[in-house]
Amino acid sequence: DTGVSQNPRHKITKRGQNVTFRCDPISEHNRLYWYRQTLGQGPEFLTYFQNEAQLEKSRLLSDRFSAERPKGSFSTLEIQRTEQGDSAMYLCASSFSTSTNEKLFFGSGTQLSVL
Amino acid sequence: DAKTTQPNSMESNEEEPVHLPCNHSTISGTDYIHWYRQLPSQGPEYVIHGLTSNVNNRMASLAIAEDRKSSTLILHRATLRDAAVYYCILAPHGGSQGNLIFGKGTKLSVKP
Repeated sequence: DTGVSQNPRHKITKRGQNVTFRCDPISEHNRLYWYRQTLGQGPEFLTYFQNEAQLEKSRLLSDRFSAERPKGSFSTLEIQRTEQGDSAMYLCASSFSTSTNEKLFFGSGTQLSVL
Repeated sequence: DAKTTQPNSMESNEEEPVHLPCNHSTISGTDYIHWYRQLPSQGPEYVIHGLTSNVNNRMASLAIAEDRKSSTLILHRATLRDAAVYYCILAPHGGSQGNLIFGKGTKLSVKP
């Protein structure tokens, strides 16, 4: 169990550029989540996958955001035409779902700064 | 969505017990109570969760009020490593429990 891995740890980009983040979940975890966290706030849910299917998307996930999880393994989160308001920590989490006992394991996040 | 209320901050002395309160007066009968904590520069870390009965694990204890409108996370002997933001979260049973609604949490400071 190597934990949830996120890359890169830090990303600095100019407004209007596209960025892509990668998340490698704990192996055999069937659920994968993306959250966003701004300074001083708790994480906010963006979207989640069960295996390769994207089952829920928050209204925070504008059409500039897209997430994929091909083959139900790693996931990518892409932000197109970045805006300064996109600056945040993007957290990935994974879990092995059961009916009553779902613990999320979070990665250390990707810190995005949009200049 | 059900919400929780926590104090913004608390202080504790090292090696003393810490009781972190959480109010959730609008909790529904199927909501689980989850606690996560977030150390500086890290993602949140699962601490404990429960439904109705008190729960213990190696990290902490969770005491749930009989009416379930409040709960308390208990750290039995605080260490410097326990300094973190602690989040109390309600998660509905059934479906994904991973769509968690974090508030601002309680920032716990531990003094040596």
